Amino acid sequence: AQKVTQAQTEISVVEKEDVTLDCVYETRDTTYYLFWYKQPPSGELVFLIRRNSFDEQNEISGRYSWNFQKSTSSFNFTITASQVVDSAVYFCARMNSGYSTLTFGKGTMLLVSP
Amino acid sequence: DTGVSQDPRHKITKRGQNVTFRCDPISEHNRLYWYRQTLGQGPEFLTYFQNEAQLEKSRLLSDRFSAERPKGSFSTLEIQRTEQGDSAMYLCASSLGAGGGNEQFFGPGTRLTVL
Repeated sequence: AQKVTQAQTEISVVEKEDVTLDCVYETRDTTYYLFWYKQPPSGELVFLIRRNSFDEQNEISGRYSWNFQKSTSSFNFTITASQVVDSAVYFCARMNSGYSTLTFGKGTMLLVSP
Repeated sequence: DTGVSQDPRHKITKRGQNVTFRCDPISEHNRLYWYRQTLGQGPEFLTYFQNEAQLEKSRLLSDRFSAERPKGSFSTLEIQRTEQGDSAMYLCASSLGAGGGNEQFFGPGTRLTVL
C-alpha cells in the first residue's frame, strides 16, 4: 500500500512558537493530490489545503504555510506564532490515482500551551 | 447549516446487536464516502457512492457491513452482529463529483462503542 507517514506523534509548544508538522508520502502515480485536515477535540475533520502534484509552489494562508517537495516526497505544514486554538490533531492525506478515496497518515497531535 | 450531518452522534450497543448509522451529505454533492477511525489512527476508507451506485469497497468492509444510498441522497451504514473490534468513529464525507480538485467535507462522525 502507498503510505502516508507522519512521524511525529505528538508535539508540544508554547504559544507564539512556530511549529512544523512533517508529512512524507509514497506514490507510484504521476498525478496525485495531497491534503491537510485538522481534527479539533470536537472530532470533525476540517479541510485546510489541497495541493496537486504539478504545483510545487509553496503556499501561505495567514499563519499557515505549506512546503511541497516532490524530490523528497514531502508536504510539510508550518504554523507560525502558534495559538492555543491550534491545538488539534492534524492529518496529512493523499488522494489515490482513481481520484476517489483519501489515504490518511496517523496524524500529529499538536498541543499549544499558554 | 448545510454541512454533512450524521446521526446518531453516539451509539452504545452490546456485542451481537445490529446498528445502523445515517449520513446526510451536502445537498449538491453526488459523491458520498464512509471512513472508520480508531483511536490514535487516521481515518480509513470503507466505501463510497457516486449518486446511488456503490463504486468501491475496502477490504475492511467485511460481510457484516452493508451500505446503501437508495436515492442518491442520504446513506446508511449497517453493521450486523457487532463485535468489540467494531468500536470506532464512523465518518461520512461528501464531495462535488470526482477528481482530486474536489475536496471531501466531513461530518461530525458517529462514535460506536460495542460492549
